[in-house]
Amino acid sequence: AQSVTQLGSHVSVSEGALVLLRCNYSSSVPPYLFWYVQYPNQGLQLLLKYTTGATLVKGINGFEAEFKKSETSFHLTKPSAHMSDAAEYFCAVSVGNEKLTFGTGTRLTIIP
Amino acid sequence: EAGVAQSPRYKIIEKRQSVAFWCNPISGHATLYWYQQILGQGPKLLIQFQNNGVVDDSQLPKDRFSAERLKGVDSTLKIQPAKLEDSAVYLCASSQGDLRNTQYFGPGTRLTVL
Repeated sequence: AQSVTQLGSHVSVSEGALVLLRCNYSSSVPPYLFWYVQYPNQGLQLLLKYTTGATLVKGINGFEAEFKKSETSFHLTKPSAHMSDAAEYFCAVSVGNEKLTFGTGTRLTIIP
Repeated sequence: EAGVAQSPRYKIIEKRQSVAFWCNPISGHATLYWYQQILGQGPKLLIQFQNNGVVDDSQLPKDRFSAERLKGVDSTLKIQPAKLEDSAVYLCASSQGDLRNTQYFGPGTRLTVL
């Protein structure tokens, strides 16, 4: 069975600093990997996804993530944090064509 | 294009009452999902429809939850009777095909069971 672990339920960074949100997955076969963002009282919005091909994936709002098979990781990064990035971020994994399994989320706070 | 619509946005009921949520997916999306998101957790899939057929309902508590997608468009999720532990946000999502395709989420319905 697949699973997702997001290290750090809360992350705080200063405006303009690097954002790094960690995600590790467990799967015996190549997975599909996703990052979603959720703003207060809203649904989830896809930031980026990895299915096949290039392991460095670029998404919306300046975010990117790298699929590292050897480390079973799919960490999310952004070079320079903006106040508007404050939200909850969810990593999700799907194997084959099975349902998405979400992590427990990381709440990102931006310090002015 | 219009996004996924859900109603109501908020609902407060007492335990043992029934409640229904409605979802209208993005036009043309064949796949519809209902998720339950308990506070502090990630969304958990309750049921997945492909057109008007059920693909996966393995995590749906069928003794109290039911869902339908008549005519392969709108969908309704019902809880009867509700329990305290059903307090959560119920999210509807739709996509054009399988899981490689992006799921688009609605704003959710926040259910509070007292």
